[in-house]
Order: sequence, then C-alpha cells, then structure tokens
Amino acid sequence: DVKVTQSSRYLVKRTGEKVFLECVQDMDHENMFWYRQDPGLGLRLIYFSYDVKMKEKGDIPEGYSVSREKKERFSLILESASTNQTSMYLCASSSHDRGRGEKLFFGSGTQLSVL
Amino acid sequence: AQKITQTQPGMFVQEKEAVTLDCTYDTSDPSYGLFWYKQPSSGEMIFLIYQGSYDQQNATEGRYSLNFQKARKSANLVISASQLGDSAMYFCAMREGAPGKLIFGQGTELSVKP
Repeated sequence: DVKVTQSSRYLVKRTGEKVFLECVQDMDHENMFWYRQDPGLGLRLIYFSYDVKMKEKGDIPEGYSVSREKKERFSLILESASTNQTSMYLCASSSHDRGRGEKLFFGSGTQLSVL
Repeated sequence: AQKITQTQPGMFVQEKEAVTLDCTYDTSDPSYGLFWYKQPSSGEMIFLIYQGSYDQQNATEGRYSLNFQKARKSANLVISASQLGDSAMYFCAMREGAPGKLIFGQGTELSVKP
C-alpha cells in the first residue's frame, strides 16, 4: 500500500514552543504539500515543494517554515507556536508525471493544539 | 474572491437514493483540473474523482460521477445509490496552473440516513 505518513496524530504544545511536524511518503513523488484545515474554511495551502531543497510559499505561509532535505520527507516547522495555529495539519504528495494522475495522496493528519 | 464555492454546508440523503453535491469554481486559466475528495470522521482524505478542463466526457468512478458544466463553471458530484458509509465531509478542489497545487472549497457534510 502506498503511503503518506505523518509522525503524530495528536500533538499538544505550549505557546512559544518550536514545533516540528514530520511527513514521509514512500511513492517516490516529487511534489509535497502542507495544508491546514479549519472548520468552515476547507483546506488552505501553507507551503509546497517540487524537489529536494526547494520550497514555495502557499496561501498562508506566515508563522511557518519548511524543510525538504530528502525526496521522501517534508517537515513543517512552527518557529514559535501561537494559539491561532491550533488546527488540523495535512501533508500530501503527488507525482510530476501526468500519466500517473494528478491526484494528491494525503496523510492521516496531525491535530495540533497550542495552549 | 472565492475560487471554489460549495454552498451546502450540510446535506441529508436517504440510503439507496442519489445525491448531488454542488461545486462552482472561478478561473481564467483554460487549463485546470477539478477534484472531489471524501473525508470520513477518521480524518484521512480519500480521492474520489478527477475532471480535466479539456475532457470531453464527464468523469465517472463507480458510484461517483462528476457533472461538469464548463460554461456555468460548475463541477457537481453525483453519488448514486447512497450507502451509510458515504456519510462524510466532501471537498471540491481545483488545480489551477501549478502541478498538484489544489485550492479547496469549504466542504459539504453529507449524512446518509438508514
């Protein structure tokens, strides 16, 4: 089974802490994405990457950074967590190859609570 | 301006009946893709169906079909013969330009009644 794995299903952190959310995919996909999901707002794109060492800002990058040192791993970093970053975080990956389909494969999500 | 609009926050349908979930989109790019995803209470996002802007025929995947009306900029999802397991949140999404970069609607919560 192909998989996108997020390291934690639930996470509780304190305001001001540095938070790392890890995501690993085993499909050899070039593209990886971080979204956050909030009720009534759907999913919003935070950052994405089309290649190792490469990153692009999405629609809501403020307060976040990312790291992609290896093709299979894409990390989301909250430098100083704040309560308004309490949310569900979803990682996804996809292939460049249109022949393999354009669809995103998602992880199960990390519900982050910042107290 | 909203790029993807789902106007139905919640819907109910009787088991075995068909249901249509609405989605309208806004883009000036001639090349785009439209997706529907299902999110059950477990939280995972499950791909259902895809329609490319140049596809001549409406996409179908088993009980799911996408009613693509390009001139009206709508991409409604039709689920035939609803099952209890169809109860979930459904998201419409659009890929515009950049590969794999999707814009999502707000979602529609579907409840299937026995």
